[in-house]
Amino acid sequence: AQTVTQSQPEMSVQEAETVTLSCTYDTSENNYYLFWYKQPPSRQMILVIRQEAYKQQNATENRFSVNFQKAAKSFSLKISDSQLGDTAMYFCALLTYITNFGNEKLTFGTGTRLTIIP
Amino acid sequence: NAGVTQTPKFQVLKTGQSMTLQCAQDMNHEYMSWYRQDPGMGLRLIHYSVGAGITDQGEVPNGYNVSRSTTEDFPLRLLSAAPSQTSVYFCASSYRDGTTGNTIYFGEGSWLTVV
Repeated sequence: AQTVTQSQPEMSVQEAETVTLSCTYDTSENNYYLFWYKQPPSRQMILVIRQEAYKQQNATENRFSVNFQKAAKSFSLKISDSQLGDTAMYFCALLTYITNFGNEKLTFGTGTRLTIIP
Repeated sequence: NAGVTQTPKFQVLKTGQSMTLQCAQDMNHEYMSWYRQDPGMGLRLIHYSVGAGITDQGEVPNGYNVSRSTTEDFPLRLLSAAPSQTSVYFCASSYRDGTTGNTIYFGEGSWLTVV
């Protein structure tokens, strides 16, 4: 079984500051992907950033970056220069491949509610 | 591009009624799946499909049926609705690219209330 744990149910930070959201995971698979999704009040799932497990280099997308520690099974998201539009639920997700059936298995954490304070 | 389209967006059902949530994608993706999202929880997998004619159960399949007669469509059927099935439902489709890896697209969600 694979699991994803987000230990911070809620966080808040002042606008323009930097915030880091934590995520740990567990899987026995060697080939997997990790994602951070943003879910605003509209409930739409928006991909923030993606990390391939075989890549050592941490992924970066503009103000969003990750700290991927494969041995520790940790995948944290750093948001720099936070903006009011960053206010949302953030979900960490783990994607593995069920090799005998060819399909993927996507497991989500319980989410972190992030509030950016003006 | 339409992407992943879910209908209806909102639905209220009485206990015991049946209904079908529709999901269609126009990206020719092989993989499609249904998730439910309950308060305080992430998305949990209900059923998934690796292609037309092939489906399998996910983490929480009880009370739901699926079929995949075409690549484009993956409907989710509630056989006899129960209040415990009140949730937000997401359909997703994905493809595996040899160079860029896996990309997952979500629909906008369907809010279902069972009274």
